[in-house]
Order: sequence, then structure tokens, then C-alpha cells
Amino acid sequence: NAGVTQTPKFQVLKTGQSMTLQCAQDMNHEYMSWYRQDPGMGLRLIHYSVGAGITDQGEVPNGYNVSRSTTEDFPLRLLSAAPSQTSVYFCASSYWDRTYEQYFGPGTRLTVT
Amino acid sequence: AQSVTQLGSHVSVSEGALVLLRCNYSSSVPPYLFWYVQYPNQGLQLLLKYTTGATLVKGINGFEAEFKKSETSFHLTKPSAHMSDAAEYFCAVSLTGTASKLTFGTGTRLQVTL
Repeated sequence: NAGVTQTPKFQVLKTGQSMTLQCAQDMNHEYMSWYRQDPGMGLRLIHYSVGAGITDQGEVPNGYNVSRSTTEDFPLRLLSAAPSQTSVYFCASSYWDRTYEQYFGPGTRLTVT
Repeated sequence: AQSVTQLGSHVSVSEGALVLLRCNYSSSVPPYLFWYVQYPNQGLQLLLKYTTGATLVKGINGFEAEFKKSETSFHLTKPSAHMSDAAEYFCAVSLTGTASKLTFGTGTRLQVTL
């Protein structure tokens, strides 16, 4: 198992550009999530999905879109990047029951200039 | 609403000393509690979790945590720190419902000195 994979590892964008952060998992997990990590703020939930075709907003969803067309993939789209979106982004997946841990990807470090 | 408070953004201990990282939570329903560790430039890895049952939970690398409902706490301890324990530690809470909706504390960076 590759676990949770994320691409790219690093990305620099200019303000207003768009991009998609990729996330894939090969563990057949129902749940997938996106978090952003900022210094002194821990991880904050952006969007999550409870299964293919079902997504919902987390704590900080503004400026981000998601879709879940397959169980394996959960891409995060930035439609018009802003400097406030400079952060490290983590994707995570887990089984449906909350007793199970979340498995995290290695992260994508995004800088918006 | 749920929240997690980690007291101390930085903790420094000597190698061989006790490690104590504090976590308090607020929740209107029985929480599930987690400790994750993040090594530099890596993702998060589960150290241990409390769901139901025994309140003293043992995890990997010699860490353990005790769920104290009366104190709404879930402090992480290790009897003897090792240099390899230097990392950032996050406490997280999940309420009933979807496993995806973790609320994280702001993290505690552990430094281990010789």
C-alpha cells in the first residue's frame, strides 16, 4: 500500500492563479479530508467527504473547492489563489467509524506571492 | 462545539527526563481523543487514541495518555525522553459522527536537550 499520496510537494503560485492539489489513497477508505496547517494554529479542516459524490465544508472552506468522483481521489482546487492561502496542506483518509485513526499524506507546501 | 487547548507551544526537557504535554478539551458529548506526532517536513502520525474503555491508553514509542473526564484532560506522558522524540505533538478531538471531522489543538513543539 502506498497509503495517502499528495502531489505536488511544493508549489509557488502568483495571486489570482488557479491550481489543483492532488490526493489519492489506496486503502479503500470512505472518508477523506483536507486540512491546512499554519504556524501557531494547528490543523484546520477545509473540506471533507464521506464517500464518492458526497462532500461538505469544514472550518475554513472559503476559496477552495472539492469533488469526489471516486473513492480513491479527493482533489482540492484553488480557483483564484490569494497570499492568505500560503500554507501547508494535508490530505487525510480514514474508515467510516470514528474509532479509526486518520492517515495523513506528506503534505503540499504552497506559497502564493 | 468542540475545542482543544494545548498548554505550552514549546516544551524543553533533558534527555531521560519526564515528558508531559498537556491537552484539555471541551465537548458536550463523550469525545474520542487522539495524539498525533509530526516530525520535521513530514505528515502526522498517530501516537495513541482513546475511544471507550480503559482510560489509560498506551501508544507507540513509549508514550501514554490518561483520559480524565472530571478534568476534561488527555495529557500525554513519557517517563524518559529520547532525542528522537523531538517533534511537534498535536492533540485532537472527534465527536460522534464522521471520523473526518477532527478538531486539532495548536500543537506543542517538544525539544529534547542533552
